[in-house]
Amino acid sequence: QVQLQESGPGLVKPSGTLSLTCAVSGGSISSSNWWSWVRQSPGKGLEWIGEIYHSGSTNYNPSLKSRVIISVDKSKNQFSLKVSSVTAADTAVYYCARGLLGLTGAFDIWGQGTMVTVSS
Amino acid sequence: EIVLTQSPGTLSLSPGERATLSCRASQSVSSSYLAWYQQKPGQAPRLLIYGASSRATGIPDRFSGSGSGTDFTLTISRLEPEDFAVYYCQQYRSSPQTFGGGTKVEIK
Repeated sequence: QVQLQESGPGLVKPSGTLSLTCAVSGGSISSSNWWSWVRQSPGKGLEWIGEIYHSGSTNYNPSLKSRVIISVDKSKNQFSLKVSSVTAADTAVYYCARGLLGLTGAFDIWGQGTMVTVSS
Repeated sequence: EIVLTQSPGTLSLSPGERATLSCRASQSVSSSYLAWYQQKPGQAPRLLIYGASSRATGIPDRFSGSGSGTDFTLTISRLEPEDFAVYYCQQYRSSPQTFGGGTKVEIK
């Protein structure tokens, strides 16, 4: 079955850029699914960051839009997240997730999550 | 942005009891775009319900969802030990997708 695995640095300096990759295995990123990034700050709730389709179409949360880029690499069957100008408020567990077939929400498959700390 | 308010914040119940969780939206979501998730400590959320009332693959039938417009409910008919967790609702009717603050179901 499809599995997702996040990877990237666990520590980022303030004002730097957070970069994460989500590898898709057991299926194709070119399927009819949207692929999202969601984060969860320690002890807090869930925040949707944005999503991408294999065509490259993207949607972003307006609260983060000016600092976020989501991209797809079909040759590697993966998609990526970049968040620029990070502050301590960006410290969170970052998840990649797959939207149900044909839907932009309702995430049926999630990665295990990766903790990213913003600190000098 | 659609704000989702979940209540209660914490629900203290015993195994075998019925759990009723509420999710209220600041504007109409339409029943087709409301999901429920379960999250246990150290784990990613798990999709339980989508389209307000459709169970995701592999979800036991003790979990059921209902509602429309702005008011939605997740019901767990008889709590099993593994059901004690935090539950979140999510709307994907309009961008940005948003989640509720969660309801913790704890053992009484």
